Amino acid sequence: GAGVSQSPRYKVAKRGQDVALRCDPISGHVSLFWYQQALGQGPEFLTYFQNEAQLDKSGLPSDRFFAERPEGSVSTLKIQRTQQEDSAVYLCASSLGSSGRLHTQYFGPGTRLTVL
Amino acid sequence: SQQGEEDPQALSIQEGENATMNCSYKTSINNLQWYRQNSGRGLVHLILIRSNEREKHSGRLRVTLDTSKKSSSLLITASRAADTASYFCATDPLGGSQGNLIFGKGTKLSVKP
Repeated sequence: GAGVSQSPRYKVAKRGQDVALRCDPISGHVSLFWYQQALGQGPEFLTYFQNEAQLDKSGLPSDRFFAERPEGSVSTLKIQRTQQEDSAVYLCASSLGSSGRLHTQYFGPGTRLTVL
Repeated sequence: SQQGEEDPQALSIQEGENATMNCSYKTSINNLQWYRQNSGRGLVHLILIRSNEREKHSGRLRVTLDTSKKSSSLLITASRAADTASYFCATDPLGGSQGNLIFGKGTKLSVKP
């Protein structure tokens, strides 16, 4: 595809349910980032992959959040036992270089998660 | 935690006018980037300015960076209705992880035809 795609675009979950959010980065992009964007706020960093290696997960808010990129392309962000405070837009971005530094990050449209 | 603070939070102008948005940040940086986000969409990269640069142009966009004041400005000249969006500055902090960006809260720009 031409850009970063994410699915689903919208997800409604009942509190306590597990959810899985998918990101398809631009083909050949080495770096992949996940961000969380609350309503009216800027995106906040969650985690970073270089190929299949998760090099930074310092932004994950709790151990209920887990991300993987097993083959170095598609990535999944999983949230277990969702809480209302998890409601946000989850953005995925990819960049060509092995470091996000000085390489443009291309963002997907996001998945809007609503936890009832 | 968010590093950048955009000012103003909201800006409403007429088509053809110039729009200026400011960003202040807290720690030393490798570079600063500006992004645009249309309602319900992902972010689109506009421009990157390195810490050793003071000004950069791209089409109708002009970005300045003052590292001594830890601030940046984005100027959009001859605005169009299609420029209506939220604009975010994002910093790549010196000594930070490999390029994860720290975003401000954004300026919501409305350009009226």
